[in-house]
Amino acid sequence: AQSVTQPDIHITVSEGASLELRCNYSYGATPYLFWYVQSPGQGLQLLLKYFSGDTLVQGIKGFEAEFKRSQSSFNLRKPSVHWSDAAEYFCAVATPGNQFYFGTGTSLTVIP
Amino acid sequence: EADIYQTPRYLVIGTGKKITLECSQTMGHDKMYWYQQDPGMELHLIHYSYGVNSTEKGDLSSESTVSRIRTEHFPLTLESARPSHTSQYLCASTLEGPRLEAFFGQGTRLTVV
Repeated sequence: AQSVTQPDIHITVSEGASLELRCNYSYGATPYLFWYVQSPGQGLQLLLKYFSGDTLVQGIKGFEAEFKRSQSSFNLRKPSVHWSDAAEYFCAVATPGNQFYFGTGTSLTVIP
Repeated sequence: EADIYQTPRYLVIGTGKKITLECSQTMGHDKMYWYQQDPGMELHLIHYSYGVNSTEKGDLSSESTVSRIRTEHFPLTLESARPSHTSQYLCASTLEGPRLEAFFGQGTRLTVV
């Protein structure tokens, strides 16, 4: 069965510091992987996605993620966090049938 | 910016009332979804549709029902609201093929008192 694990429920970083949010997935075939961001009271916005090819993918707002098949991971990174990055981040895996499975999310707090 | 809209954004309603949460998309997507999200929790799929006249229940059991009479419209109905239905409801649609992506509405925050 497909599943997504985000081990970190909440992360606090200082503005300007680097960030890495962890995501592990369980899926039998080559996964379609996504990172979404959700600001309070809003829907989810796509940050980036991986289907195939280059395992390092670039997204919006300066985010990137690296797919590591051997570790079943798709961690999200940003070299320098801004206060506006404070939000909830969701990792997701999608099947070819377009079923999306989301992790429990990681809440990011940015301190000045 | 995604062209998927949910109304109302916020709703406070009394127990026993019937409510319909609206979701519309102008992108022509065949597949649409309803997720339920409690604060600080993951998204749980409660309904989905692969096209007109197609509706299926998701992984999380829900007392709500959905309909898909038109491609662009996927309303969710609660016949008799209860406090346990208090949650955020997110509607989504997907673009298939090589550009697979889920587009989300802004959500409806439902409070049943």
